[in-house]
Amino acid sequence: DAGVTQSPTHLIKTRGQQVTLRCSPKSGHDTVSWYQQALGQGPQFIFQYYEEEERQRGNFPDRFSGHQFPNYSSELNVNALLLGDSALYLCASSWDRYGQETQYFGPGTRLLVL
Amino acid sequence: GQNIDQPTEMTATEGAIVQINCTYQTSGFNGLFWYQQHAGEAPTFLSYNVLDGLEEKGRFSSFLSRSKGYSYLLLKELQMKDSASYLCAVRDSNYQLIWGAGTKLIIKP
Repeated sequence: DAGVTQSPTHLIKTRGQQVTLRCSPKSGHDTVSWYQQALGQGPQFIFQYYEEEERQRGNFPDRFSGHQFPNYSSELNVNALLLGDSALYLCASSWDRYGQETQYFGPGTRLLVL
Repeated sequence: GQNIDQPTEMTATEGAIVQINCTYQTSGFNGLFWYQQHAGEAPTFLSYNVLDGLEEKGRFSSFLSRSKGYSYLLLKELQMKDSASYLCAVRDSNYQLIWGAGTKLIIKP
């Protein structure tokens, strides 16, 4: 049973560029949440996708956008990258019971913006 | 605002017991989670409490008091591999997870 997978594992970009991160949920899961985790901090909720729609959103600017595909996989896009976007980006999947289910995390994508 | 407080760092000895506390103030409550996160890795699920009381799972136990906005994670028979950060997260009224900054646990031989 495959767990949550993310790609790429590491990424280096420069300010102003755009980046796309990918996530495949755990088998049987239909809900994907994205988090940003700065060094030494807890994860910060970006948004959650269910049935190919953004269901909830945290306090992140519109530069952060996403998508969910019919197979439940998801992408996170960040435009006009800033130095402060450097972080570990985590994807978590769950089986929808409107948030009742435990979230399981992927290994993350470490993004460095220079 | 919403707030979750945990100690920044704790040190304990191999074989001993350690208790990591978490206090929270959130808009609504729909459960509290504890996750373990080794350096450079993703968080892994440890426990879930939604009702008051103690949940035991092997060497790990988690306690919740909703009236006090308080939880703790108890780790027994500490092993070197338990050195990690321990994250407390609360699901609020919107079913969003609000996370603490984590407690870095250092285990010494």
